[in-house]
Amino acid sequence: DQQVKQNSPSLSVQEGRISILNCDYTNSMFDYFLWYKKYPAEGPTFLISISSIKDKNEDGRFTVFLNKSAKHLSLHIVPSQPGDSAVYFCAASLASGTYKYIFGTGTRLKVLA
Amino acid sequence: SAVISQKPSRDICQRGTSLTIQCQVDSQVTMMFWYRQQPGQSLTLIATANQGSEATYESGFVIDKFPISRPNLTFSTLTVSNMSPEDSSIYLCSVDTWASGYNEQFFGPGTRLTVL
Repeated sequence: DQQVKQNSPSLSVQEGRISILNCDYTNSMFDYFLWYKKYPAEGPTFLISISSIKDKNEDGRFTVFLNKSAKHLSLHIVPSQPGDSAVYFCAASLASGTYKYIFGTGTRLKVLA
Repeated sequence: SAVISQKPSRDICQRGTSLTIQCQVDSQVTMMFWYRQQPGQSLTLIATANQGSEATYESGFVIDKFPISRPNLTFSTLTVSNMSPEDSSIYLCSVDTWASGYNEQFFGPGTRLTVL
């Protein structure tokens, strides 16, 4: 049973436009969420996180939105750049500090120049 | 932050053999983690490795198949034993840090294993 789902395996966006990557989860006990970016032949790199006490967290071009009632989070990248082309994973844990993360299957983002 | 290196970066192995993957961190950390990413799948936690104690394995993973060593606070190994083609995956180690009020896991570059 996949507790964290990324239903779009791939996404293509024009440079300068907004990229929206989506993630759904099934366990209502999850209350800490993270996004990772992964380039080929490299390990995942932490991008941004959000806890359940917030519905939005922003860091530069990256914003994560959390809708707890819908068990849905999304990552917005504005403006998208060709260097953002990578696989993006969302992950969830029961709380910050529990260390055990459940990852989604990833969405491959391609930003077209 | 933490810088993590893994050896080997990739390997092709024959079924029935074993491979030991090394993970080195540039700072002392309490907990290290081993993940597996099978083709087209998400990252799945294999086990948590604490220095000075037995590793804690997740459901579906056992010590006989994936023995782990953690001899000090900067190093760990994962052995994939008696390999079969189903073990073909990327294996990643990671460490967890606490900074600026939130947890962040740093990952190594991964070891791409192909079993023939």
